[in-house]
Amino acid sequence: GAGVSQSPSNKVTEKGKDVELRCDPISGHTALYWYRQSLGQGLEFLIYFQGNSAPDKSGLPSDRFSAERTGGSVSTLTIQRTQQEDSAVYLCASSLGSVGIGGNQPQHFGDGTRLSIL
Amino acid sequence: SQKIEQNSEALNIQEGKTATLTCNYTNYSPAYLQWYRQDPGRGPVFLLLIRENEKEKRKERLKVTFDTTLKQSLFHITASQPADSATYLCALDGGNQFYFGTGTSLTVIP
Repeated sequence: GAGVSQSPSNKVTEKGKDVELRCDPISGHTALYWYRQSLGQGLEFLIYFQGNSAPDKSGLPSDRFSAERTGGSVSTLTIQRTQQEDSAVYLCASSLGSVGIGGNQPQHFGDGTRLSIL
Repeated sequence: SQKIEQNSEALNIQEGKTATLTCNYTNYSPAYLQWYRQDPGRGPVFLLLIRENEKEKRKERLKVTFDTTLKQSLFHITASQPADSATYLCALDGGNQFYFGTGTSLTVIP
């Protein structure tokens, strides 16, 4: 079956512009995660959606970052007024529903959106 | 906050040998710990999950141990092959966030 799909695969934009990154999770997966991976760095947790529950946004690095998940499926990560330090690969993952934040379920990742801020 | 450390940034071993990667964590006692493989330009791929009440778990040439007293997990690849060359990440849930280590880059030399 289809895996997690992210679009665009690459995005180059000027500093100060807004960007939207899209994630299509695996059908039937109720949990969805966003991460950021900077060059040579580990994955930085951003936000987690579980079903229709309100997400915990405490992992978002600033108020320029926001995320939505419509209909319990597709998710959009929006970065407003982009800065050069926002340049990174943004990864999305989905998993089956679980207790808590899902430590007991494998996460299935997309190949990410490589964001470059000029 | 949770902190995860993985041993040396890079590990080079000879084909056929056993690779051992280390993951240490602090400040939290997770009920589960996961290992992933990441190839350049790709997202991580799930390999194994181990529960706190499991000492060891195996899958083909892979073996994971979980020592909740030492707060450490070891990841072993036996009879390593050049195709095993990749970055390996450990991960755990830390309450309201999910934490990944920075990874260990493994190179298996033919």
